[in-house]
Amino acid sequence: EPEVTQTPSHQVTQMGQEVILRCVPISNHLYFYWYRQILGQKVEFLVSFYNNEISEKSEIFDDQFSVERPDGSNFTLKIRSTKLEDSAMYFCASSNPGTSGTYNEQFFGPGTRLTVL
Amino acid sequence: SQQGEEDPQALSIQEGENATMNCSYKTSINNLQWYRQNSGRGLVHLILIRSNEREKHSGRLRVTLDTSKKSSSLLITASRAADTASYFCATDGNQFYFGTGTSLTVIP
Repeated sequence: EPEVTQTPSHQVTQMGQEVILRCVPISNHLYFYWYRQILGQKVEFLVSFYNNEISEKSEIFDDQFSVERPDGSNFTLKIRSTKLEDSAMYFCASSNPGTSGTYNEQFFGPGTRLTVL
Repeated sequence: SQQGEEDPQALSIQEGENATMNCSYKTSINNLQWYRQNSGRGLVHLILIRSNEREKHSGRLRVTLDTSKKSSSLLITASRAADTASYFCATDGNQFYFGTGTSLTVIP
């Protein structure tokens, strides 16, 4: 069964450093997403990406964040200058669009645990 | 906010019992989805119910949706220890919102 994969599973970085989290969505999906989950808190939407551009983003997704689909398979989240509060689990997801512009079932990767020291 | 909010926050039952979790949301939706998250893992999609549907079944899962009350419920029948996880509802709008989750513990 196709699945979303993410690498690395755990990333440790120093405050102020740049990190790139990588995801390989399901191959025939068209929508891609990043979420984060701070330990013990709810899953928070960061950004959705469709047709090579951001379709929606949350207030959390500020200028320190960027996303890219550098080739036909990878989808990346870059955090330019990490802060302590960026420590969280980051989940990638992918889906196909639902009918009439609705969101359809999203398939989630296992997550990357980011620890900022 | 369009966030779904689940209750109870935590639920502990014996294996074989039914578990019911509720979700409330604030604005109109196109669909509502339920996900499961095992500790430290990603989210697994359980079931999607569209705004024009009132009830949906999938195996031991039964979901209801009341758009007039802006609420949904997830019923897991004949629970198993493996059902122990956190359960989230998620609503779609311009963005995809998850609630805070119900932590279900099924005691063998």
